[in-house]
Amino acid sequence: NAGVMQNPRHLVRRRGQEARLRCSPMKGHSHVYWYRQLPEEGLKFMVYLQKENIIDESGMPKERFSAEFPKEGPSILRIQQVVRGDSAAYFCASSPTGKGYGYTFGSGTRLTVV
Amino acid sequence: KQEVTQIPAALSVPEGENLVLNCSFTDSAIYNLQWFRQDPGKGLTSLLLIQSSQREQTSGRLNASLDKSSGRSTLYIAASQPGDSATYLCAVRPEGTQGGSEKLVFGKGTKLTVNP
Repeated sequence: NAGVMQNPRHLVRRRGQEARLRCSPMKGHSHVYWYRQLPEEGLKFMVYLQKENIIDESGMPKERFSAEFPKEGPSILRIQQVVRGDSAAYFCASSPTGKGYGYTFGSGTRLTVV
Repeated sequence: KQEVTQIPAALSVPEGENLVLNCSFTDSAIYNLQWFRQDPGKGLTSLLLIQSSQREQTSGRLNASLDKSSGRSTLYIAASQPGDSATYLCAVRPEGTQGGSEKLVFGKGTKLTVNP
């Protein structure tokens, strides 16, 4: 079991470009969560998805950010028209179907906007 | 709104020392509390998960306690080693419908350095 796989590990984008971050959950996990860690800050919840459904997006910025978890393939966090303030580490976690289980986190994607 | 605070922000100790990391949360309505370890440039590793009905959990040299009513948890590390150097994060899972909210609320972490 390869664990939660995130790619790329590092991503550099110029202001105004689009950033696409990918997350493949652990085998058998159907729940995916995205968190953002700004410099010197704790992790902040962004969005929770199940296959083909967004369950809770209360932590997502209202504009430029979107997430999906299609029936086939990885979950995608998409940031349009990136700004310097988007520079952060973005972590994905997955869990099996039941509540009360601990999360398994990926190694993160470090986005730098120049 | 649930807030999680970790004290101290950074801690440096000599090898072999026992130490305690502190975590406090403002809303006692939690489903569980989890301690993670984060190494530089890497992801998070779950260390201990304490359900709201439990008082403590132990794994090897690690012991985590939970006092839900007072909104506090501690992570005790015995006989610290240089390999324990990392940032330790505390996260609570708020209560919600059907047994628990799906989101975790994290503290900013305690950066631990164990000197040889």
